[in-house]
Amino acid sequence: DGGITQSPKYLFRKEGQNVTLSCEQNLNHDAMYWYRQDPGQGLRLIYYSQIVNDFQKGDIAEGYSVSREKKESFPLTVTSAQKNPTAFYLCASGGGTDTQYFGPGTRLTVL
Amino acid sequence: AQKITQTQPGMFVQEKEAVTLDCTYDTSDPSYGLFWYKQPSSGEMIFLIYQGSYDQQNATEGRYSLNFQKARKSANLVISASQLGDSAMYFCAMREGQADSGGGADGLTFGKGTHLIIQP
Repeated sequence: DGGITQSPKYLFRKEGQNVTLSCEQNLNHDAMYWYRQDPGQGLRLIYYSQIVNDFQKGDIAEGYSVSREKKESFPLTVTSAQKNPTAFYLCASGGGTDTQYFGPGTRLTVL
Repeated sequence: AQKITQTQPGMFVQEKEAVTLDCTYDTSDPSYGLFWYKQPSSGEMIFLIYQGSYDQQNATEGRYSLNFQKARKSANLVISASQLGDSAMYFCAMREGQADSGGGADGLTFGKGTHLIIQP
C-alpha cells in the first residue's frame, strides 16, 4: 500500500539529548515536510524539501535539522538546542498537485 | 496578523444536521490554495477538500463542500448530514504562491482548528 510511515509512534528523550524522527514515503512524491503541533494549536512548519539534497527552513526551524539523501526519506533531528521539544510531530509529502498527505505522527516527550 | 482564522474553538451539532465550519484567510498573493483537514483523536491528518484561488466553482467531495467567497476571503467547510464519525478537530490551511507543479508546493499555514462534536 502507498503511504507515509513515521517511527517511532512515541518517543521519550532526556534533556540534552538529540533524537531523530523517521519519515518514509512510497508515494513517489518529490516534496516532503515536517510540522510541529502543540496542544490546542494548529500545525507549524519546521522544514521542507522539494527535491533530493535540498531543503528549506520553515517558520520554526531553530533547534532542528534535516537531511534528504533519498527521495523516500526525510528524517528530522531534534537537537538539544530546541528548548521546548515536547510536541506532536507530523511528516507530510506532496507531488504534482497542491495537496499534502500526512503520516500518523510521532509524539515526543522530554523527561 | 493571523493568516488563517478559525473563530469557532468548539461546536456541538446534532447527528444528521448540516455543519458549517468557518475559515477566513489573509493573503496578498493572487495565487493560493485552501485546504481542509480532519484530525481525529488518533492524531492523523486526513485531507478533505481543496480549493484553488482561480477555481470558478466551489469544491465538493462527497458530503464535504467548500463555500468559497473570494471577495470576503472566506473558505467555510460545509458537512452535510453529519455523522457520529465526523467528531474530530478540523483545520483550515493555506498555501500561498504558485504551486511548483514538478516538486510540490511550499509548506501550508494552518489555523488553530475547530473541535466538532456530533451528538446522537
